[in-house]
Amino acid sequence: DVKVTQSSRYLVKRTGEKVFLECVQDMDHENMFWYRQDPGLGLRLIYFSYDVKMKEKGDIPEGYSVSREKKERFSLILESASTNQTSMYLCASSFGGEGPLYNEQFFGPGTRLTVL
Amino acid sequence: RKEVEQDPGPFNVPEGATVAFNCTYSNSASQSFFWYRQDCRKEPKLLMSVYSSGNEDGRFTAQLNRASQYISLLIRDSKLSDSATYLCAVIQGDDKIIFGKGTRLHILP
Repeated sequence: DVKVTQSSRYLVKRTGEKVFLECVQDMDHENMFWYRQDPGLGLRLIYFSYDVKMKEKGDIPEGYSVSREKKERFSLILESASTNQTSMYLCASSFGGEGPLYNEQFFGPGTRLTVL
Repeated sequence: RKEVEQDPGPFNVPEGATVAFNCTYSNSASQSFFWYRQDCRKEPKLLMSVYSSGNEDGRFTAQLNRASQYISLLIRDSKLSDSATYLCAVIQGDDKIIFGKGTRLHILP
């Protein structure tokens, strides 16, 4: 079974703090994704990566950055957390193929981040 | 018109009934379509890909109507365990993935 793990299930940070969210997958997937999910807004793609050291902006990249130094690990960074970044953050991964988005995505359990 | 729209529900359906819901999309160049299931406080998991010819997996049938720009999910003989939120995902030609906000389904005993 594919396993996608995220470093924390719950996280509380203060405004202005730097926040790291870590995601690890164990299936040698080429593609990895970061989403946030908010009531009434659904799942929105922040960034994705189709290879080590490669990244692409999703729909809402502002206020976020990412790092992919190893194939199995994809980090989401909030340089200076703000209250409007309080959300559920979901990481996902998928096999490579004709395009990063076209294959089944396997999601991690999510990190509920609260910024005070 | 929003890029991807779903009726948020909730759909309250008695066990054993058939239920169907749609997901409309605005970009006619959309190429790939999926249904994901998300249980309460859990992550989404792929339920079905949606193929042009329609596809069936047990009690679940997914169909694509390109002319009217929607996909549908039909659940027959619904079970209590089908209670969940169902998300559609649409891949647009410009490498953009849009998820619907989900339709909540409650199967009643």
